[in-house]
Amino acid sequence: EAQVTQNPRYLITVTGKKLTVTCSQNMNHEYMSWYRQDPGLGLRQIYYSMNVEVTDKGDVPEGYKVSRKEKRNFPLILESPSPNQTSLYFCASSPDGGRGYGYTFGSGTRLTVV
Amino acid sequence: AQTVTQSQPEMSVQEAETVTLSCTYDTSESNYYLFWYKQPPSRQMILVIRQEAYKQQNATENRFSVNFQKAAKSFSLKISDSQLGDTAMYFCAFMHRSSNTGKLIFGQGTTLQVKP
Repeated sequence: EAQVTQNPRYLITVTGKKLTVTCSQNMNHEYMSWYRQDPGLGLRQIYYSMNVEVTDKGDVPEGYKVSRKEKRNFPLILESPSPNQTSLYFCASSPDGGRGYGYTFGSGTRLTVV
Repeated sequence: AQTVTQSQPEMSVQEAETVTLSCTYDTSESNYYLFWYKQPPSRQMILVIRQEAYKQQNATENRFSVNFQKAAKSFSLKISDSQLGDTAMYFCAFMHRSSNTGKLIFGQGTTLQVKP
């Protein structure tokens, strides 16, 4: 089954404790991206990657890092999480940057930082 | 900056009825894409329908259709014969055709409840 797999689905952590949210896609897509969803704000792009050689910041990159060492994986790293990073996170992939086919989204990670 | 506005935070409709969700956007570009995504309680984001700005014809996918008014920068979603499974949050989204970031600009979302 073609899908984007995110883990974990739920995560509660403490301020300052480094964490990684994993994302993997099995569709051989070049484009991958991370979004966060907050009430009243919709989804906002954190980082994107056009391919394994190009990764860049989106609209809200502060406090996040990403890695694209291989095409299928695009983990999101929070080096020192803070309460304002409590949110619902989505990884997404696309063969063409979302234009023709839209994005395939993962099932989301609900992160709570206390 | 491009913005997408969904002015209806919540809506409800009776099963089998028709409902229209509103979306307006602001851009100075002429070539772009517009999307409606559905997020059911399972949280999965599902592409419902897509419209290319240079196409005059409104997109249709089964019971879902759009009313695209380019001059008014309006992109509403009509759901016909509403079903209980249509209960979800719906997001309108915009993307520049020339974008190399793949960035979708989302509206705030509209929560739709279909009542039996």
